[in-house]
Amino acid sequence: DAKTTQPPSMDCAEGRAANLPCNHSTISGNEYVYWYRQIHSQGPQYIIHGLKNNETNEMASLIITEDRKSSTLILPHATLRDTAVYYCIVRGYNQGGKLIFGQGTELSVKP
Amino acid sequence: GAVVSQHPSWVICKSGTSVKIECRSLDFQATTMFWYRQFPKQSLMLMATSNEGSKATYEQGVEKDKFLINHASLTLSTLTVTSAHPEDSSFYICSAMDRATSSGANVLTFGAGSRLTVL
Repeated sequence: DAKTTQPPSMDCAEGRAANLPCNHSTISGNEYVYWYRQIHSQGPQYIIHGLKNNETNEMASLIITEDRKSSTLILPHATLRDTAVYYCIVRGYNQGGKLIFGQGTELSVKP
Repeated sequence: GAVVSQHPSWVICKSGTSVKIECRSLDFQATTMFWYRQFPKQSLMLMATSNEGSKATYEQGVEKDKFLINHASLTLSTLTVTSAHPEDSSFYICSAMDRATSSGANVLTFGAGSRLTVL
């Protein structure tokens, strides 16, 4: 079973920030939080990952709460091309590398 | 960045035939690759873990004789769907982990997927 809970769908206006929440209340100390997205009929694309600290890269920012039980992926200026299913995944370094996908959040960016 | 190539991107075959899908890491070596399948409107389901030079590890409920996995080199893994039937029609996606990554947070790179339709 997936270790994360995400809303099934969200809408966002083009140009605005998209904030995608993820609950992972049973996360353990050695588990990272990963975010991937899947645009229709394509393979998943890596976005960002983090352990404890907030992270930022050219695609997004990841905010992890101090207790690590939840996180938020932020797309600062959403475009129509950001419409996709976003997956939040928790994985430990000793789990063989595999990623177990939950249902994700279907983000629709609207003009 | 790391690139994973899958071939073919789509294939149509007759029931009872076998189909081979290739997964290649183009600019890195991957000791471990993963195979997923995805049905319409559903999430990705992990089928098996493929390790270079050894037998694949299959997830519970996945028939190893039905889905043959070979990982003969550090850049190539193949999935063969044997005696395919219409219920095997799905989107098959591979991913690979760069063995050069030393941190505990190994990032997986995914291929673009292969859509199989069995008539």
